[in-house]
Amino acid sequence: DVKVTQSSRYLVKRTGEKVFLECVQDMDHENMFWYRQDPGLGLRLIYFSYDVKMKEKGDIPEGYSVSREKKERFSLILESASTNQTSMYLCASKLPLGSNTDTQYFGPGTRLTVL
Amino acid sequence: AQSVSQHNHHVILSEAASLELGCNYSYGGTVNLFWYVQYPGQHLQLLLKYFSGDPLVKGIKGFEAEFIKSKFSFNLRKPSVQWSDTAEYFCAVIFYNQGGKLIFGQGTELSVKP
Repeated sequence: DVKVTQSSRYLVKRTGEKVFLECVQDMDHENMFWYRQDPGLGLRLIYFSYDVKMKEKGDIPEGYSVSREKKERFSLILESASTNQTSMYLCASKLPLGSNTDTQYFGPGTRLTVL
Repeated sequence: AQSVSQHNHHVILSEAASLELGCNYSYGGTVNLFWYVQYPGQHLQLLLKYFSGDPLVKGIKGFEAEFIKSKFSFNLRKPSVQWSDTAEYFCAVIFYNQGGKLIFGQGTELSVKP
């Protein structure tokens, strides 16, 4: 069973703080993704990574950065948190495109509130 | 950029009613198609997926979806909903020309009245 875990379920931070959201998967997946989920907007892709030390911007990368030093771990960084980054953050992983399964597996999410 | 649209933002049904949730995607060549469900307080789960072959795919909990290539659609159906189907449903598409990114629709919130 694929497991994607996220370091926190709930997080409260203050404006201007640096925030780290951690994601770990245990299925040796090359591809990892960070989304934010907001009501009425669905899931929007922030950043993704095809492999270790590789990263690509998604649709809404502004205000975020990522780090992928190890295959199993993908970190999302908010350099200076702002109130409009209050959201649910979801991590996901999958095998590369064209594998016998393109199914993406999701973590439980981190609900971040920036005050 | 490629996009995915879900027609209904909120659907309210009584138990035993039939369900159809619409999903359309912009043209993008080869695609893989998914429906995910998120029950209240839980994380996203895969309902069903289409990669190739029979365009009518069956998923868990009695859900099915039909891929109509000419209409760029992948609508989700269930003949008879239950109260436990209350959840948010997301259509998602991998466009092969987008390098494997999964692009989501806006989501449809389904409320089933007992």
